[in-house]
Amino acid sequence: DQQVKQNSPSLSVQEGRISILNCDYTNSMFDYFLWYKKYPAEGPTFLISISSIKDKNEDGRFTVFLNKSAKHLSLHIVPSQPGDSAVYFCAASPSGFQKLVFGTGTRLLVSP
Amino acid sequence: NAGVMQNPRHLVRRRGQEARLRCSPMKGHSHVYWYRQLPEEGLKFMVYLQKENIIDESGMPKERFSAEFPKEGPSILRIQQVVRGDSAAYFCASSSSVSGAAYEQYFGPGTRLTVT
Repeated sequence: DQQVKQNSPSLSVQEGRISILNCDYTNSMFDYFLWYKKYPAEGPTFLISISSIKDKNEDGRFTVFLNKSAKHLSLHIVPSQPGDSAVYFCAASPSGFQKLVFGTGTRLLVSP
Repeated sequence: NAGVMQNPRHLVRRRGQEARLRCSPMKGHSHVYWYRQLPEEGLKFMVYLQKENIIDESGMPKERFSAEFPKEGPSILRIQQVVRGDSAAYFCASSSSVSGAAYEQYFGPGTRLTVT
């Protein structure tokens, strides 16, 4: 039972353009959402988060959008850089719990 | 400004042996989490601990796996009598107890366990 889904296993974007990574969830008890970036043989690196009481959060080149009615969130990276090439994981936390439920990841490749 | 530290980074065990994975949280963090990542999959929650207390172990296999976070020293994830299916990357994360920041978990580099 995959409660957090990242349906695109990979995404290719040119340097300078926008990268949009998508994530869907099924559990309406999730109230906090996070995005992590992961390089091979390293641990996930926290990027940005959003509470369910908001619909947008921005930090530099990264913006996360949350659409609660559609149970959908997305991460926008503008402008994309080759160093952004990594696997991106969406994660969610159920209300009252502090564990994270992860999606299966999207591999982003930003080409020069 | 040390982050989350895990050791060893790589661990090879024969079937039936014990594996001990250690995790030191970030300075100032009192919450520790363990996750496991199987090949080509996302991370799966295993256990959440605070000092001397297991808060949530809903993701831990019922047998052979245990975790602790003693008053002094690192958190330990212990796997007894390892089997080939235990081969995975095990990640530790930590978070602050400050309200609102507890959900932001910071991960260590992981321990890659290989069972031969």
